[in-house]
Amino acid sequence: GDSVTQMEGPVTLSEEAFLTINCTYTATGYPSLFWYVQYPGEGLQLLLKATKADDKGSNKGFEATYRKETTSFHLEKGSVQVSDSAVYFCALSDRNFNKFYFGSGTKLNVKP
Amino acid sequence: EADIYQTPRYLVIGTGKKITLECSQTMGHDKMYWYQQDPGMELHLIHYSYGVNSTEKGDLSSESTVSRIRTEHFPLTLESARPSHTSQYLCASMGQGSNQPQHFGDGTRLSIL
Repeated sequence: GDSVTQMEGPVTLSEEAFLTINCTYTATGYPSLFWYVQYPGEGLQLLLKATKADDKGSNKGFEATYRKETTSFHLEKGSVQVSDSAVYFCALSDRNFNKFYFGSGTKLNVKP
Repeated sequence: EADIYQTPRYLVIGTGKKITLECSQTMGHDKMYWYQQDPGMELHLIHYSYGVNSTEKGDLSSESTVSRIRTEHFPLTLESARPSHTSQYLCASMGQGSNQPQHFGDGTRLSIL
């Protein structure tokens, strides 16, 4: 069945460091891929998405490219800020666009 | 902008009580979902609905029940709460069509004493 695997955390970085959070997926067909962010005490917010191979989603300095050949959707940011500290979830929607499959979440701590 | 609301935000209650967690959305979305989020952050789908009078159990078995009498409303009920039900509950909705994201409420943090 469909599934998402993302790197375990926590990831601890200093401010202005480069961020990569790895995400790989298994899916039937051609899913849409998403990154969500969850700040403490809140629900999940959509960060970015990509709907087909080679698409690049971007928002707030974060980027992720849909790589069909490696079934990956790694999240990157060139220079993280303390305010980026949160939990990040990779997700895919199934081929019928009815259900989502979420990774286990990666906690990011950014230190000043 | 997504408009999906969950109440209460926090609930601390004794064992054996009946609890209803409310979820409402104003976007006219047909698809709605309940997730249970454990302390390790992982999300587990416990219920979903594709429209009025449609409800399905999710991937994680849950003693809770849901109803969908109106499009905008998807409440979750625990008939007799137990400490094992202590968790964060997140509600989400999604519009029709391909490539739509799920929109989440802020969650209800439930503690059963």
